[in-house]
Amino acid sequence: DAKTTQPNSMESNEEEPVHLPCNHSTISGTDYIHWYRQLPSQGPEYVIHGLTSNVNNRMASLAIAEDRKSSTLILHRATLRDAAVYYCILLYNQGGKLIFGQGTELSVKP
Amino acid sequence: EPEVTQTPSHQVTQMGQEVILRCVPISNHLYFYWYRQILGQKVEFLVSFYNNEISEKSEIFDDQFSVERPDGSNFTLKIRSTKLEDSAMYFCASRPGTGYTEAFFGQGTRLTVV
Repeated sequence: DAKTTQPNSMESNEEEPVHLPCNHSTISGTDYIHWYRQLPSQGPEYVIHGLTSNVNNRMASLAIAEDRKSSTLILHRATLRDAAVYYCILLYNQGGKLIFGQGTELSVKP
Repeated sequence: EPEVTQTPSHQVTQMGQEVILRCVPISNHLYFYWYRQILGQKVEFLVSFYNNEISEKSEIFDDQFSVERPDGSNFTLKIRSTKLEDSAMYFCASRPGTGYTEAFFGQGTRLTVV
């Protein structure tokens, strides 16, 4: 399974944008880039995923580098509810398991 | 919005006892998973299930564990002869199975072995 690297923690101020980086230099051509988050005392929650092009949804945006060796999850306006651990995960096949790393713990200050 | 439901939310059991953790995945999903998270640690994959059989399992998923989809709606994880180190949050997840789609997780069952 291809590996991802994320900072252990990041801080943000409320209502400011947050850019959460992820390095995946060993990504293969068929790996999709998935992001999940885990709020305190809850199960993981899907955020967004992509293959090559940048993606937007109601929760976030995903910016994927041209060489696909890194990606950035963008929260456009952080709220206190966005405080969570964010996981960047590579998914290589349709039914494949998600392999969670340590993720990035995001704290949001009022 | 459809959701994955897990019961019970909290289970306390004595060491050596058997427990069954229950999950109702989202209807029409085809892939099912169990994960666990020991307090303060990362989420760990246990097993995936597709077409009524295990498709992949981790090293953690030894003979102590088994999974079943007994009636087409429930998905259960049985832990035989529980040990103290089995204390953890157990999460069930399901995926539709078409394309590289997202997995939907339940809220988890907190298992405490005493």
